[in-house]
Amino acid sequence: EAQVTQNPRYLITVTGKKLTVTCSQNMNHEYMSWYRQDPGLGLRQIYYSMNVEVTDKGDVPEGYKVSRKEKRNFPLILESPSPNQTSLYFCASRYGQGWDEQFFGPGTRLTVL
Amino acid sequence: LAKTTQPISMDSYEGQEVNITCSHNNIATNDYITWYQQFPSQGPRFIIQGYKTKVTNEVASLFIPADRKSSTLSLPRVSLSDTAVYYCLVGDRNTGFQKLVFGTGTRLLVSP
Repeated sequence: EAQVTQNPRYLITVTGKKLTVTCSQNMNHEYMSWYRQDPGLGLRQIYYSMNVEVTDKGDVPEGYKVSRKEKRNFPLILESPSPNQTSLYFCASRYGQGWDEQFFGPGTRLTVL
Repeated sequence: LAKTTQPISMDSYEGQEVNITCSHNNIATNDYITWYQQFPSQGPRFIIQGYKTKVTNEVASLFIPADRKSSTLSLPRVSLSDTAVYYCLVGDRNTGFQKLVFGTGTRLLVSP
């Protein structure tokens, strides 16, 4: 089944404790992206990657890191999480550079205490 | 990026047709219009995309007038399961455009 998977789905952590949220897609998509969703703010893009070893900042990259060492994986790293990073995170992928349909993962609900 | 404006919320009843209009006055020549649907605690799901006139698929229709400054997503005979947030996005399909700006969308509530 074609899908985007994220792990963990739920995470409660404390300020400053490094964490990684994994994202994997099995559709051989070139483009992957991370979003965060907060009440009243809609979805905001954090980082995106156009292909392996090619990443760029989205609208709200501060406090986050990403890497794209393999085509299928695009982990989101929070080196020192803070409470303002409490949010619902979505990973997404699509085939190419155009305005193609984007496929979203199930989401990761992160709480930073 | 062309800015889009949608109603914050809409209410409907089962079996009715729902039309959600999106305003995009600054749409560029190469921009396409795309709609996504999002259920609570799930990622958005692509519904439909169009450039001009009318596009129809098994889920919805998209009406785009000649001036393309607005578009209307039409959901025929909605059911309770159509309760969701609907996002209108505008962007250039042909130039490697990477960012999707979702905005706050339209919250549709379908009642029995």
